[in-house]
Amino acid sequence: GAGVSQSPSNKVTEKGKDVELRCDPISGHTALYWYRQRLGQGLEFLIYFQGNSAPDKSGLPSDRFSAERTGESVSTLTIQRTQQEDSAVYLCASRGASNTGELFFGEGSRLTVL
Amino acid sequence: GENVEQHPSTLSVQEGDSAVIKCTYSDSASNYFPWYKQELGKRPQLIIDIRSNVGEKKDQRIAVTLNKTAKHFSLHITETQPEDSAVYFCAASKDRDDKIIFGKGTRLHILP
Repeated sequence: GAGVSQSPSNKVTEKGKDVELRCDPISGHTALYWYRQRLGQGLEFLIYFQGNSAPDKSGLPSDRFSAERTGESVSTLTIQRTQQEDSAVYLCASRGASNTGELFFGEGSRLTVL
Repeated sequence: GENVEQHPSTLSVQEGDSAVIKCTYSDSASNYFPWYKQELGKRPQLIIDIRSNVGEKKDQRIAVTLNKTAKHFSLHITETQPEDSAVYFCAASKDRDDKIIFGKGTRLHILP
């Protein structure tokens, strides 16, 4: 596609439910990042995938959070047993193999936990 | 791990004046420092970046400076315009092929 695509754009869930957020990176981009942005706050690093290397999971806030990526394509971020503090916009970004380090962000998935 | 501090959190400047946003980082191995702009309700976009082998980089009204010894880097916007109003994020990375850690952002208001 032309850009990074994320779905759903909005998700409202009840506390304790599991949610899955999906990211379709730009075709051919080897690197994929997930960030969390709480209302009015910064970009909090969650996880980084680079090609077939083991992902850098150092930013995941708890074991309720996990993410997978199939090859160099789609990634899914899963939050189990959601809590109200998980409410945020979850942003995905991808980066190509060129000499620049530019990240291309998706529109984000806004998660609201009631 | 890397920690990036950004100041100020909010900045208001008169249209036409200059704005400066400052960041510090903790990991001396970091060598790539991008800046992103996020307009209200939109996704962050790269506006300028700098690598550790240079001390300054300019692109029209925007410039970034880097002091590796002090682990400081700054964004300078001259002749500010209304469309510069946004949240600006600095970031640091050990390499372009590594995770990128962002500061908490600076909300810039350009006053008429």
